[in-house]
Amino acid sequence: EAQVTQNPRYLITVTGKKLTVTCSQNMNHEYMSWYRQDPGLGLRQIYYSMNVEVTDKGDVPEGYKVSRKEKRNFPLILESPSPNQTSLYFCASSLTPGQGIAEQYFGPGTRLTVT
Amino acid sequence: GQSLEQPSEVTAVEGAIVQINCTYQTSGFYGLSWYQQHDGGAPTFLSYNALDGLEETGRFSSFLSRSDSYGYLLLQELQMKDSASYFCAHDQPDNAGNMLTFGGGTRLMVKP
Repeated sequence: EAQVTQNPRYLITVTGKKLTVTCSQNMNHEYMSWYRQDPGLGLRQIYYSMNVEVTDKGDVPEGYKVSRKEKRNFPLILESPSPNQTSLYFCASSLTPGQGIAEQYFGPGTRLTVT
Repeated sequence: GQSLEQPSEVTAVEGAIVQINCTYQTSGFYGLSWYQQHDGGAPTFLSYNALDGLEETGRFSSFLSRSDSYGYLLLQELQMKDSASYFCAHDQPDNAGNMLTFGGGTRLMVKP
C-alpha cells in the first residue's frame, strides 16, 4: 500500500530534550516536506526537500532541523524543544513532474506536546 | 498574516452547491491546489490548477484566475460527509526548489 508513515503519532516531552520524528514514504517520491498545523493558521511549511541531500527552509524553520540521506526518509529533529513547538506535525511527499508540486500525500500526523 | 485568504467558516445544506474562495497576493507561483481535511485526519488532495480555468473532478471543481488573483473550490450535491476543512495552497519557486504556502482553511458544515 502506497503510504507515508510517521512515528511517533503522539509525544509528550519536556523543554530541551532532543527528539526526532521519523517520516518514511514507499512511493519513490522526490519531494518531501514537513508542516506544522496550529488552530487558525492552517499548515505552515517547516522544511522541504527536492531530493536526496537537497533541503531548504520553509516558512517556519526556526528550532527545527532535517536531513535527507535516503530518498524514502525525511526525519524532523528538534534539538531543544520549547513549548511554542507544541503542535500537530505532518510529513508529506510528492512526485515532481514538471515544475509544480501538485498532489501531496500526507502522513497521519504527530501530535507533539512540549511542557 | 496569511498570503492566501479563505473564509473561516461556511455552512450549507445537503444537496446544495457551495463555493469556497481563495484570494492571494502572490505572483509567480506554479499552481493552486486544494486539500480536504476531516477532524482528526490528515489532509487529502482534491485538485490542482496549473493553468487558469476550471478543473472538474466528479462533484468537485476548482477554478483559478491569475489576472484576478483568486481561485475557488466548488462542491456540488453536498453530502454530510463533505463536512470538513478545506485548504488552498500555492507552490512557488524557491532557493532549492518549491515552497508551499497554505491558506488558513475554511471549515464547511453541511446540515441536513
